[in-house]
Amino acid sequence: AQSVTQLDSQVPVFEEAPVELRCNYSSSVSVYLFWYVQYPNQGLQLLLKYLSGSTLVKGINGFEAEFNKSQTSFHLRKPSVHISDTAEYFCAVLNTGRRALTFGSGTRLQVQP
Amino acid sequence: GAGVSQSPRYKVAKRGQDVALRCDPISGHVSLFWYQQALGQGPEFLTYFQNEAQLDKSGLPSDRFFAERPEGSVSTLKIQRTQQEDSAVYLCASIPRVGTDTQYFGPGTRLTVL
Repeated sequence: AQSVTQLDSQVPVFEEAPVELRCNYSSSVSVYLFWYVQYPNQGLQLLLKYLSGSTLVKGINGFEAEFNKSQTSFHLRKPSVHISDTAEYFCAVLNTGRRALTFGSGTRLQVQP
Repeated sequence: GAGVSQSPRYKVAKRGQDVALRCDPISGHVSLFWYQQALGQGPEFLTYFQNEAQLDKSGLPSDRFFAERPEGSVSTLKIQRTQQEDSAVYLCASIPRVGTDTQYFGPGTRLTVL
């Protein structure tokens, strides 16, 4: 079994400030890790993913995430946020032996002017 | 090219009614997934198709839920005798080949059961 925990349900931040959205996972087998973003009334869009190799992965819109196996974490970061980054962010894992994604409960990023 | 499309985008049903939700995956995509996203929660897996074969339906919450993909392209998720707890956004996703790691999501259908 696997699970994903997103510790913060909401993160308010001012425009141009840095942000970190936290994600921890548990799994007994190797996993692939993902961050998806969901804008209002839209589907999920892939931000970035970790499959193997370098633990620091860069995604779209200036986001990056670091895989930490010892801490079973995959935190998402952006050095300077924009108003347009306001959205719901979901961390997810894909068990390499299973086909479906397991999602966290999401973090709402609210960027304030 | 066109992405995953879903229809209707919004559906209001009275408790006890049957509903059918449609998913058009990206053309040529082999595999298709359905997820249920309750308000304030992350999506949860319902069922998975590879071509027309339903290989995993372990996430379907009850026997009132039924999904099909008869020709290996369009899929329909049917909910019989809807209940208020069925209110959620139903998301469809597809992947081009078995083993592809990135799933491509549609915009979802928001179902409200009154």
